[in-house]
Amino acid sequence: EVQLVESGGGLIQPGGSLRLSCAASGFTVNSNYLTWVRQAPGKGLEWVSLIYSGGDTYYADSVKGRFTISRDSSKNTLYLQMNSLRVEDTAVYYCARGRWNYDYWGQGTLVTVSS
Amino acid sequence: EIVMTQSPATLSVSPGERATLSCRAGQSVLSNLAWYQQNPGQAPRLLIYGASTRATGIPARFSGSGSGTEFTLTISSLQSEDFAVYYCQQYNNWPLTFGQGTRLEIK
Repeated sequence: EVQLVESGGGLIQPGGSLRLSCAASGFTVNSNYLTWVRQAPGKGLEWVSLIYSGGDTYYADSVKGRFTISRDSSKNTLYLQMNSLRVEDTAVYYCARGRWNYDYWGQGTLVTVSS
Repeated sequence: EIVMTQSPATLSVSPGERATLSCRAGQSVLSNLAWYQQNPGQAPRLLIYGASTRATGIPARFSGSGSGTEFTLTISSLQSEDFAVYYCQQYNNWPLTFGQGTRLEIK
């Protein structure tokens, strides 16, 4: 059974850093496209970042240069390193499987950026 | 960036009736469009991709149509579990973008 489980969210001050994890089961992260999507409280969905099965990475302009997507095949886990966090980065962060559209999603982890 | 505009923002429909949700793209996205359903406190669920192909396990009462800039999600004979928020998403151009959502509520 395919499962994605996020962790690592929490309360962080503006300018701080946080690393989100997404543990995958039922498939291998290295053989799949994986994406981060976020949702600010009470708002819609925003695509954040994508890692190709071949390792290429893509970012939304709003996070480019601050966020880094990566994966660890030994742990079958996807990561999102978030630096220089801003108040507007406050959101539930979901990991999802897919390149263009997403058939499996995690339950999400809440990141709150506030002083 | 392609702006996706969904209408209406809120749709009130009675159980058993048909619901029609619209999504308009700011420029052509061909058939590279997906629909998702999201219930409160839950992750989105993929319903439709390629504008009209139902995802695995999605009931036949959900159907998608359209191409280019105009798309429709139709839910025939609404069930209680269908009352949720629906999002369209284009994947023809970077960055991938979602609509703002349509809330489907019980009338």
